[in-house]
Amino acid sequence: AQKVTQAQTEISVVEKEDVTLDCVYETRDTTYYLFWYKQPPSGELVFLIRRNSFDEQNEISGRYSWNFQKSTSSFNFTITASQVVDSAVYFCALSENRGLPGNTGKLIFGQGTTLQVKP
Amino acid sequence: DGGITQSPKYLFRKEGQNVTLSCEQNLNHDAMYWYRQDPGQGLRLIYYSQIVNDFQKGDIAEGYSVSREKKESFPLTVTSAQKNPTAFYLCASSPSGANYGYTFGSGTRLTVV
Repeated sequence: AQKVTQAQTEISVVEKEDVTLDCVYETRDTTYYLFWYKQPPSGELVFLIRRNSFDEQNEISGRYSWNFQKSTSSFNFTITASQVVDSAVYFCALSENRGLPGNTGKLIFGQGTTLQVKP
Repeated sequence: DGGITQSPKYLFRKEGQNVTLSCEQNLNHDAMYWYRQDPGQGLRLIYYSQIVNDFQKGDIAEGYSVSREKKESFPLTVTSAQKNPTAFYLCASSPSGANYGYTFGSGTRLTVV
């Protein structure tokens, strides 16, 4: 069965520190997509990145970077030089492909990691 | 601009009353979803619909009901049978299948008084 594990429940750092949020997934699909969402205090989940299972290149977007390693089924998210505005809950998610036995075409979410960046 | 609109943002309900949360999207997405989020917890799926006039129960459907009469709309009713309805409710939509991810609404915070 598909599963996403974010083992870090809460992380607290001081501004300008680098921080990595871990995400480990399980799937029997050969083609799948992985996502990260940010949920600031306002509540709405904001899309950060989508990565397909055939693209293992790391991605960098400003202070954000993502490390996808199929060999360890991990899709970790690093924030460099963290800022107070990065304080939020971050969710990792895995797409469940429709058409495969038992799949319903949903996103499977991890439990989320609460990041607190202190000034 | 395309997006998902949830209303109201805050809702108060007396015990024993049913209440309906609105979710409307103009993204032309086939699939829509309702999630519940409790403090310090992740997202738990209540109901989802992948096509008009059809919907399926998620992991915590007891005490909730939905309808999908139009592609754009997926209202959620929290019934009096829901024992602990105070929570943050998020609506989302996606094109057919989840490979493009979800677009989320801004949520409704329901409080039972």
